[in-house]
Amino acid sequence: GAVVSQHPSWVICKSGTSVKIECRSLDFQATTMFWYRQFPKQSLMLMATSNEGSKATYEQGVEKDKFLINHASLTLSTLTVTSAHPEDSSFYICSARATPGELFFGEGSRLTVL
Amino acid sequence: GQQLNQSPQSMFIQEGEDVSMNCTSSSIFNTWLWYKQDPGEGPVLLIALYKAGELTSNGRLTAQFGITRKDSFLNISASIPSDVGIYFCAPRGRGGSNYKLTFGKGTLLTVNP
Repeated sequence: GAVVSQHPSWVICKSGTSVKIECRSLDFQATTMFWYRQFPKQSLMLMATSNEGSKATYEQGVEKDKFLINHASLTLSTLTVTSAHPEDSSFYICSARATPGELFFGEGSRLTVL
Repeated sequence: GQQLNQSPQSMFIQEGEDVSMNCTSSSIFNTWLWYKQDPGEGPVLLIALYKAGELTSNGRLTAQFGITRKDSFLNISASIPSDVGIYFCAPRGRGGSNYKLTFGKGTLLTVNP
């Protein structure tokens, strides 16, 4: 199946710093990618839809200035958590759709903010 | 608003037993997807259902798209230890909705060897 890769797989940062997470579609082009957040023992919650060449669409309650999304190419979307705080610690997962086909998910990136 | 209920929340079974889990919704969907998530990993697509009443198998897994389009079930036959993980249903509405998915709360499956 299609491959979606995330980097880094885990990151630890100090409170107040910014962290960038990359999501790449390795063997297909994706005009749309999705970013999810998952807290321990909970389901995946959609944060935003990343659109290549245009602004991301954020779900209700997600701060766009805190979670900056850039989809600069057909194979790369980045999520930057700005001024991270401990409550931002979570598992962040991206997904992309291979056309035709369904959504494929990355391996996830675990963020721990100290 | 839309409600999506997945049950059971968790299951503890013996190796070799069959497993059944389901999702029900207050809304109608055009697609039902089932994913499995291993600890510390992203979800992996197991089965995709596109037509009401559709019954699809993938090895020991079988899933059905309910006739009312508001529900779906996933069965796992002859479970093995590697079936351990969290199983999510993820339906999608009309018009593709940019392929946005809503995830159920998940079913945590534990298989005792």
